[in-house]
Amino acid sequence: AQKVTQAQTEISVVEKEDVTLDCVYETRDTTYYLFWYKQPPSGELVFLIRRNSFDEQNEISGRYSWNFQKSTSSFNFTITASQVVDSAVYFCALSEIINTDKLIFGTGTRLQVFP
Amino acid sequence: DAEITQSPRHKITETGRQVTLACHQTWNHNNMFWYRQDLGHGLRLIHYSYGVHDTNKGEVSDGYSVSRSNTEDLPLTLESAASSQTSVYFCASSLAGAPDTQYFGPGTRLTVL
Repeated sequence: AQKVTQAQTEISVVEKEDVTLDCVYETRDTTYYLFWYKQPPSGELVFLIRRNSFDEQNEISGRYSWNFQKSTSSFNFTITASQVVDSAVYFCALSEIINTDKLIFGTGTRLQVFP
Repeated sequence: DAEITQSPRHKITETGRQVTLACHQTWNHNNMFWYRQDLGHGLRLIHYSYGVHDTNKGEVSDGYSVSRSNTEDLPLTLESAASSQTSVYFCASSLAGAPDTQYFGPGTRLTVL
C-alpha cells in the first residue's frame, strides 16, 4: 500500500543553520510523483516541488534542495542557511499513476527557526 | 489571476446541522479535491472529482458528500455535523492527466459544538 512517512515531528534550529527534512515513501507503482508543500503559520498550503519517479537528479532552487533516492525510497528536503521565514510545517506527498492525482500526505514536519 | 477560493473561512455549527463548504476555482481545472487536516494525521482525502457530474469517495468520506454541476465548483456537504468533523478543510484543484500539481485553497476552519 502507498504510504508517506515523515518521522521528524518537529525540528528546531537557529538561523543560518542547514536543516534536512526526511521523507520516506512506500509504493508498488513504478511510475509515481513526489511533492513537497509548505504550510506557514498563516495556514495556506504552498507548492514547492513536484518530481517524477524517472528523474533522480537532485534539484536546487535558491536555498532549497531536494535529494531523491529511489534505492532508499526517500525524497529529502534541505534548507541551507535557514531563515526565520522558513518556519512552517512541511508536508511530503506521493501520487501514483494508478491512483491518478490522489495525493497521499505524510504527517508533516514542523520546522521552527529561531533568530 | 486564476485562483481557488473557499467560503466561509471560519464556521461554527452545532451537532446535527447540515453544513456546506464552498470551493470555487478559476484555473479551469478538471480535477478537484477535498481534504481535511487534523493534528497527527496530515491531510486526508475526503472526496474528489475528475470532471462535471463525476464524484468519488476518498479515504475518509463517511458523513460527507459532494456534487459537481460545473467545472468551477465542488461544494462539500456535511449531512449531519458531528464533533469528530471539527477540522480544517482544504479544497484543491489540478489539471487532468498524469498526476499534476494540486493547488490549494486557503482552508475553512470548521468547529462543531
